[in-house]
Amino acid sequence: DGGITQSPKYLFRKEGQNVTLSCEQNLNHDAMYWYRQDPGQGLRLIYYSQIVNDFQKGDIAEGYSVSREKKESFPLTVTSAQKNPTAFYLCASSPTGGAIPDTQYFGPGTRLTVL
Amino acid sequence: AQSVTQLGSHVSVSEGALVLLRCNYSSSVPPYLFWYVQYPNQGLQLLLKYTTGATLVKGINGFEAEFKKSETSFHLTKPSAHMSDAAEYFCAVKGGGSYIPTFGRGTSLIVHP
Repeated sequence: DGGITQSPKYLFRKEGQNVTLSCEQNLNHDAMYWYRQDPGQGLRLIYYSQIVNDFQKGDIAEGYSVSREKKESFPLTVTSAQKNPTAFYLCASSPTGGAIPDTQYFGPGTRLTVL
Repeated sequence: AQSVTQLGSHVSVSEGALVLLRCNYSSSVPPYLFWYVQYPNQGLQLLLKYTTGATLVKGINGFEAEFKKSETSFHLTKPSAHMSDAAEYFCAVKGGGSYIPTFGRGTSLIVHP
């Protein structure tokens, strides 16, 4: 089955540690996205990538980094510079990512908790 | 610029009652509009979307939404609520020329027996 996988489902981090969240898709989509979800705040865009080896900052990129070396993969690193990283993280992809009404397909999410 | 306002962070209905979730948007160009649903601890799933053409859009699970340009609204409705409809619902807008949709803050639908 085609889809998006995120791992791990739950992640615990000590303060001062960097952690990497995995996102893989086998939908052959060009565009991929990372969102952060906090209660009552909806989805906020962290980074997005429209094509391999290219990515752009979203609204809340500070303290996060990404890479897009393969079409299928878009890992997100939460660095120690992110002051309040406890949240639910969602990865998504869409066929093209252009200025068209692409549907976004979401992974099941990773819940990160800082201890 | 584009933005979305979802009126009501929580909506409570009885099973079998009408569901109405409100969404108003702003966009400087004709928008593309989406409704997504999120069940607890899961990702989002598309319910329906408006691109062009017919303003009444039918989606999955019996939901539909009507694009009203004059009111800048895209409200989501379902004639009869089921317990399984309890979830978080997100409206999103993507203005023409924009690569990224903007999401509303979400509305939690609570269905009482």
